Amino acid sequence: AQSVAQPEDQVNVAEGNPLTVKCTYSVSGNPYLFWYVQYPNRGLQFLLKYITGDNLVKGSYGFEAEFNKSQTSFHLKKPSALVSDSALYFCAVRDITGANNLFFGTGTRLTVIP
Amino acid sequence: SQTIHQWPATLVQPVGSPLSLECTVEGTSNPNLYWYRQAAGRGLQLLFYSVGIGQISSEVPQNLSASRPQDRQFILSSKKLLLSDSGFYLCAWSQLAGFYNEQFFGPGTRLTVL
Repeated sequence: AQSVAQPEDQVNVAEGNPLTVKCTYSVSGNPYLFWYVQYPNRGLQFLLKYITGDNLVKGSYGFEAEFNKSQTSFHLKKPSALVSDSALYFCAVRDITGANNLFFGTGTRLTVIP
Repeated sequence: SQTIHQWPATLVQPVGSPLSLECTVEGTSNPNLYWYRQAAGRGLQLLFYSVGIGQISSEVPQNLSASRPQDRQFILSSKKLLLSDSGFYLCAWSQLAGFYNEQFFGPGTRLTVL
């Protein structure tokens, strides 16, 4: 069975500092991993995905994620946080048995402090 | 470009009343369609998905049903709402073809059952 875990409910970071939002996964087979962001009362926006290839994946709004097979992790990163990055972040893994279904983590609320 | 619409944006309904939420996608054909529920601004629960007209798969037994009367239309319904049906309902679509395709989300409907 596929699953993802986001161990931190809340992450606080000062504006201008690097940020990391953690995600670990459990899959049988090759992992297909995704990151989404959700602003208040809005739908989720796709940030980036890992399918295969380079372990460092670059996405929207300056975000990137590092795939680490040995640690089964897919942490989201950004070199310099903006106040506007404050939002809810979801990691997801593709369900290999369903119609392109995704299993989502419970989300991490990122707050960037001015 | 593709867009996804959901309406209404917000809805307040009494317990026992019926429900109909609508989702439509523009700019694509034969999409996979999904209904999710998000409680308390956190994790997403997949309710239904559809790979074609009239084809509905239910992920969890519940008070809700879904229908897909047209290729790009997905409807979430209930005959009698429960208090526990309150939440943020999100519709999403993905390309049917392609194993690695991300999902794109609509703006959501905030449902409050009183």
